[in-house]
Amino acid sequence: DAKTTQPTSMDCAEGRAANLPCNHSTISGNEYVYWYRQIHSQGPQYIIHGLKNNETNEMASLIITEDRKSSTLILPHATLRDTAVYYCIVSSSAGGTSYGKLTFGQGTILTVHP
Amino acid sequence: DTGVSQDPRHKITKRGQNVTFRCDPISEHNRLYWYRQTLGQGPEFLTYFQNEAQLEKSRLLSDRFSAERPKGSFSTLEIQRTEQGDSAMYLCASSLVSQGFSEQYFGPGTRLTVT
Repeated sequence: DAKTTQPTSMDCAEGRAANLPCNHSTISGNEYVYWYRQIHSQGPQYIIHGLKNNETNEMASLIITEDRKSSTLILPHATLRDTAVYYCIVSSSAGGTSYGKLTFGQGTILTVHP
Repeated sequence: DTGVSQDPRHKITKRGQNVTFRCDPISEHNRLYWYRQTLGQGPEFLTYFQNEAQLEKSRLLSDRFSAERPKGSFSTLEIQRTEQGDSAMYLCASSLVSQGFSEQYFGPGTRLTVT
């Protein structure tokens, strides 16, 4: 699986958009970008994933650059409950012959403050 | 609650003792994963099951570790002769994969402290 690079920590004001960057310059053509987050003392939680196109769901938006070497997770209106460690993961699809193993890095600690 | 459950949530044991953790995945999920997480680090993959078959084991899973998933339902992770280095959070996740992507749902974890 390709390696990802994320900032160690970021701050965001409540109600503002949180933009979390991720570099994955060695991503291969069949690898997806996944984002999970882990709130203190809980297991990780899936947020969103994408291959080439930008994606949006009820939690966040994922912007993937055209060359696919980097991406940005956007939480449009951050709340205090969004304070967590955010992991950007690159992996092949969980379908077909791949079993979808997730390789977590150290992630970005996002702190949302009032 | 129909999420992934793990038992116990906390376990304190003395070095050299054996411990066993249980994971109950979401019903009908065919894949089950075990991860280990130490303080300040992201989770590390240990092993995974497709139904009852254990199909992949990380090199992190020494011969003191064994995992089972009888009948493709719940899973157990046993650590024999525990060492202080085994102290960590042990996370279980499950997913239903038929085709394409399926997200992994994580349990709350079992925190192991070896004294």
